[in-house]
Amino acid sequence: NAGVMQNPRHLVRRRGQEARLRCSPMKGHSHVYWYRQLPEEGLKFMVYLQKENIIDESGMPKERFSAEFPKEGPSILRIQQVVRGDSAAYFCASSPGRENYEQYFGPGTRLTVT
Amino acid sequence: KNQVEQSPQSLIILEGKNCTLQCNYTVSPFSNLRWYKQDTGRGPVSLTIMTFSENTKSNGRYTATLDADTKQSSLHITASQLSDSASYICVVSARNTDKLIFGTGTRLQVFP
Repeated sequence: NAGVMQNPRHLVRRRGQEARLRCSPMKGHSHVYWYRQLPEEGLKFMVYLQKENIIDESGMPKERFSAEFPKEGPSILRIQQVVRGDSAAYFCASSPGRENYEQYFGPGTRLTVT
Repeated sequence: KNQVEQSPQSLIILEGKNCTLQCNYTVSPFSNLRWYKQDTGRGPVSLTIMTFSENTKSNGRYTATLDADTKQSSLHITASQLSDSASYICVVSARNTDKLIFGTGTRLQVFP
């Protein structure tokens, strides 16, 4: 059973371009979470999705950011018109259920905006 | 405001020694507390998860304690190894929510 997969591992974008980050959860997991980690800071919750539904997006900026988890395929975190402040590590986690279930993290995508 | 604070920020110990990391939280209503290990450049890996009714849980050389009354937790590492060098993150979840609230971590370095 492969772990949580994220790609790309590293992504470089110029200001104004779009960044698309992918996350494939562990087999059998239908709950996906996205977190952002700025340099020298802790992880911050962005959004929680269950297949085809956004359950909680309270940590995601209202502008330029969107997330989806379609019935088929990976979860996608999309950042439009990237700015330098978007440079960070973006981690995806998956779990088989809510609350007390363990969340398994992927290796992260490091986004650099030049 | 829900917060998780950890101390110390960083710690250096010699291989074979024990150490204890601290975590204080103000998350309410409390659901569970987790300790994660994060190697540089990698995603966090779960060490322990404790609910309100649990006050200690072990995972090999890692032992976590929880005092839900004082809202404090500790992670004790026994007989440290070089591979223990990493950031250790305390994470708390509030009841009826799916969000995890992360501390900023303690960066542990183990030297030979």
